[in-house]
Amino acid sequence: EAQVTQNPRYLITVTGKKLTVTCSQNMNHEYMSWYRQDPGLGLRQIYYSMNVEVTDKGDVPEGYKVSRKEKRNFPLILESPSPNQTSLYFCASSAKYGQRETQYFGPGTRLLVL
Amino acid sequence: AQSVTQPDIHITVSEGASLELRCNYSYGATPYLFWYVQSPGQGLQLLLKYFSGDTLVQGIKGFEAEFKRSQSSFNLRKPSVHWSDAAEYFCAVGPNSGGYNKLIFGAGTRLAVHP
Repeated sequence: EAQVTQNPRYLITVTGKKLTVTCSQNMNHEYMSWYRQDPGLGLRQIYYSMNVEVTDKGDVPEGYKVSRKEKRNFPLILESPSPNQTSLYFCASSAKYGQRETQYFGPGTRLLVL
Repeated sequence: AQSVTQPDIHITVSEGASLELRCNYSYGATPYLFWYVQSPGQGLQLLLKYFSGDTLVQGIKGFEAEFKRSQSSFNLRKPSVHWSDAAEYFCAVGPNSGGYNKLIFGAGTRLAVHP
């Protein structure tokens, strides 16, 4: 079954305590992205990757890091979380555009930074 | 600037009624266009996409959308809404090459369905 998994699903942490949200896909997709979703703002892209070792900033990259050492994994790192990073985070993966291709989203990670 | 506008934040319809969700975009080049649905507590699921050709595209769950270049719009429609269609709907635009990694999303329209 095609799947994007994220862990953890829920996380409460404190300001400044480094955390990592993992993302893994089983479809051998080249493209992976991280988004944050906030009420009234829709989804905003944090970082994306077009293949192993190829990453680039999205619209809201400040305070986040990513790495793509393996094709299937694309972790999101918050080195020093702050309350304004409280949000719902989604990982997504896809192949290149095609009529039969689609983009798959993970179930989301709800983060609360105190 | 590239942007997507969904003018309606909330829409309520009765079950069995028709539905139209509006989407307008601003994009420098000819974009690819998408509609996603997010059910409560779930990730997003692609409903349909427009790349080129026929401007009326069919998607899953009985949805369709029409691309109108002159109006920079890509409105989503369904002739008869079911209670299970209650969800949040997002319109998105992206470049006409590559992959889904550079999409710009609208703020979403939350649909409520009355029995």
